[in-house]
Amino acid sequence: DIQMTQSPSSLSASVGDRVTITCRASQGISNHLAWFQQKPGKAPKSLIYDASTLQSGVPSKFSGSGSGTDFTLTISSLQPEDFATYYCQQYSSYPRTFGQGTKVEVK
Amino acid sequence: QVQLVQSGAEVRKPGASVRVSCKASGYSFTGYYMHWVRQAPGQGLEWMGWINPNTGDTNYAQKFQGRVTMTRDTSFSTAYLDLTRLRSDDTAVYYCATAPSSADFDFWGQGTMVTVSS
Repeated sequence: DIQMTQSPSSLSASVGDRVTITCRASQGISNHLAWFQQKPGKAPKSLIYDASTLQSGVPSKFSGSGSGTDFTLTISSLQPEDFATYYCQQYSSYPRTFGQGTKVEVK
Repeated sequence: QVQLVQSGAEVRKPGASVRVSCKASGYSFTGYYMHWVRQAPGQGLEWMGWINPNTGDTNYAQKFQGRVTMTRDTSFSTAYLDLTRLRSDDTAVYYCATAPSSADFDFWGQGTMVTVSS
């Protein structure tokens, strides 16, 4: 199975900050990576797929990059609605696997 | 617009079985795989498998082999997840998800809480 490791596990940030979350795959997955945002009590929401393609309706403050084993999700200017947990997920092979999550909290 | 509406919360005793449904609308139900993902309380996301609604073919995560069955009823655009021999560590929110894109999970159901407790 491909292991997905996110860092950090949590971070504290302020409104307006630029935030970067890293996701590393245990083996190469090309660009077959997605990012999700999840708020408490809600289903995950797809933000990005194919490592850097923004889902329809997702604001451009979110961006993704990377290929192979190393990927990043960047939020250019954190807003109150962005405080949430973020997950990466690989769809290069089965079983599909997720990172453990990164919780973005208010500083 | 794509909508996935799941059945309501369930409570079961250990050893029992549960069925969760996922009704799709707003797209061609038979056009895209339907996946199931679960999340234990306070934990991360765990993929369980998929069903091809067009053919009925399935692909289950090895962890659930022998206990999980995914089916569909194309007449009602509904997918089903059956999980048997429930244990306390099956307590989780179960989600269905699908994707018209090259990814897996563009759209998610609202989740179904399954509680396993004696």
